[in-house]
Amino acid sequence: GENVEQHPSTLSVQEGDSAVIKCTYSDSASNYFPWYKQELGKRPQLIIDIRSNVGEKKDQRIAVTLNKTAKHFSLHITETQPEDSAVYFCAAIYAGNQFYFGTGTSLTVIP
Amino acid sequence: GAVVSQHPSRVICKSGTSVKIECRSLDFQATTMFWYRQFPKQSLMLMATSNEGSKATYEQGVEKDKFLINHASLTLSTLTVTSAHPEDSSFYICSARQGADEKLFFGSGTQLSVL
Repeated sequence: GENVEQHPSTLSVQEGDSAVIKCTYSDSASNYFPWYKQELGKRPQLIIDIRSNVGEKKDQRIAVTLNKTAKHFSLHITETQPEDSAVYFCAAIYAGNQFYFGTGTSLTVIP
Repeated sequence: GAVVSQHPSRVICKSGTSVKIECRSLDFQATTMFWYRQFPKQSLMLMATSNEGSKATYEQGVEKDKFLINHASLTLSTLTVTSAHPEDSSFYICSARQGADEKLFFGSGTQLSVL
């Protein structure tokens, strides 16, 4: 299957600063890369996704970039707010059907 | 986004009993559902991929006889933890894929505690 690595495992930023989380994947055939936000005790929520035919996608304060050659993709959150504090997971879809998740990044935004 | 319902949200059972968890897609037909296990402060570990009308595909190391998965309809998949033991205690979460556009939506999870 696919192997997805995610860094860092924990990240603390001051409110208003930017946060960047990076993921790498192993299978070059993977073609869809979503990002999920999970608050404590709750279900993961899809926040943004990107397909392999696109290099960058932005939605307000959140953006995702993809480098297919290097097989890595990143989540960028600008102007962070305390409510952005959560665990973020990246994922890669393998063989068109199986989603494999990264190990997660616990983001803390300090007011 | 699409709605995926999972029940129960929490279950406590005695060792040796079986527990069934239901996952329903409420407003769409899910040809594929996935079952994950999540330990505290850890990632989502894919257990199995469930396709409607066919046998589930289990990940390596997941016992298919212990974690029985049934996907009898396009809106319902069930996970049965058979002869549960304390080491099976975990957060189990299902997800369903919305059609061909590959977006994945999650249920609210089930916290299983085996005494």
